[in-house]
Amino acid sequence: KQEVTQIPAALSVPEGENLVLNCSFTDSAIYNLQWFRQDPGKGLTSLLLIQSSQREQTSGRLNASLDKSSGRSTLYIAASQPGDSATYLCAVPEGGTGTASKLTFGTGTRLQVTL
Amino acid sequence: NAGVTQTPKFHILKTGQSMTLQCAQDMNHGYLSWYRQDPGMGLRRIHYSVAAGITDKGEVPDGYNVSRSNTEDFPLRLESAAPSQTSVYFCASSYWSRGGENEQYFGPGTRLTVT
Repeated sequence: KQEVTQIPAALSVPEGENLVLNCSFTDSAIYNLQWFRQDPGKGLTSLLLIQSSQREQTSGRLNASLDKSSGRSTLYIAASQPGDSATYLCAVPEGGTGTASKLTFGTGTRLQVTL
Repeated sequence: NAGVTQTPKFHILKTGQSMTLQCAQDMNHGYLSWYRQDPGMGLRRIHYSVAAGITDKGEVPDGYNVSRSNTEDFPLRLESAAPSQTSVYFCASSYWSRGGENEQYFGPGTRLTVT
């Protein structure tokens, strides 16, 4: 059974810092990995999707990397802003291609960016 | 595009009552699913569908029913609500093909309390 862990569980940084969020998964036979953010009381917003054939994806100040062999993904946030404060979740599909797999979510990292 | 919409945003139900949570998407996505999010349990898939007329059970289907009569809508019905169904419910959608799922998009959620 796939297990997804995120470290750290919580992080507080001053505005402007660069930061890295970590995601580990136990079964490396994944075909993509998705990063989401969730604001308190809100839904999940998709940030980046990395296919298994890719090593990196970038969107604005966000950069996500994927190393399937080591079962790890990192989300790099450059020049953090208070508006980045949220919970960040990584998720991987469980099951083979074409099986309409459920997403297995990580435990989440709660980020607070202070002024 | 409105993306994935859910109604209602909040609802309080009494034990034994029934209700339907609505989910609609306007992105012509084939794959739709329902998740519930509970503290300490993360997100768990309830039911899913890969096309109109096709539905299947997820991890935690007991007490819930779904139907898919068209591409856009995927309602979740609670026939006889129980306090254990107090949760936040999310609908998610994506393109689907036998090559694997693509980026999943989540709705804003329905916060349901069963008293």
